[in-house]
Amino acid sequence: DAKTTQPNSMESNEEEPVHLPCNHSTISGTDYIHWYRQLPSQGPEYVIHGLTSNVNNRMASLAIAEDRKSSTLILHRATLRDAAVYYCILRPPLTTDSWGKLQFGAGTQVVVTP
Amino acid sequence: DGGITQSPKYLFRKEGQNVTLSCEQNLNHDAMYWYRQDPGQGLRLIYYSQIVNDFQKGDIAEGYSVSREKKESFPLTVTSAQKNPTAFYLCASTDPGQRISPLHFGNGTRLTVT
Repeated sequence: DAKTTQPNSMESNEEEPVHLPCNHSTISGTDYIHWYRQLPSQGPEYVIHGLTSNVNNRMASLAIAEDRKSSTLILHRATLRDAAVYYCILRPPLTTDSWGKLQFGAGTQVVVTP
Repeated sequence: DGGITQSPKYLFRKEGQNVTLSCEQNLNHDAMYWYRQDPGQGLRLIYYSQIVNDFQKGDIAEGYSVSREKKESFPLTVTSAQKNPTAFYLCASTDPGQRISPLHFGNGTRLTVT
């Protein structure tokens, strides 16, 4: 079973911020949190990752709860090109037996309205 | 440019035939993955390989087989034993030693079995 849970869908108006939550209550202290997005009929692409501190890059920001049991991907100004399915996954360290079994949940479908 | 190539983009087969999907990467990644995606669903892990000549079953391996004879190649065979083979298949790779290393995905093969 996927180790993360996300809402099925979220809607936003163009130019408005989008906050995408992800719950990962069973996260271990050494798991990294990764986010990906998938456009229709394409493979997912990497968006951002983090461990404990909040992170920013050109695509998005990642806010990680202090207890690390949840995180939020923030798209600061949604555009029509941001309409996609967004996935969060956990990356365990190489030293664990399960490091290779990278599982995705159903993700969150983001709908952007002009 | 480095990346993952999946071929063909579309594949049609008759029921009862085995079919092999190609996945090649030139990223020098040790770990490679196969995922299946059904319409409106998330990604489900079929098989993964951490290193050459080694692979493990994912969550839905029944009816599928793989090989990993070369670092850059990880072909997936959909056998006649797979009851519902029609789906979108995605291949991915990553550097297992780096938890910050993102998964790189190909653009998928859409398999239709009639």
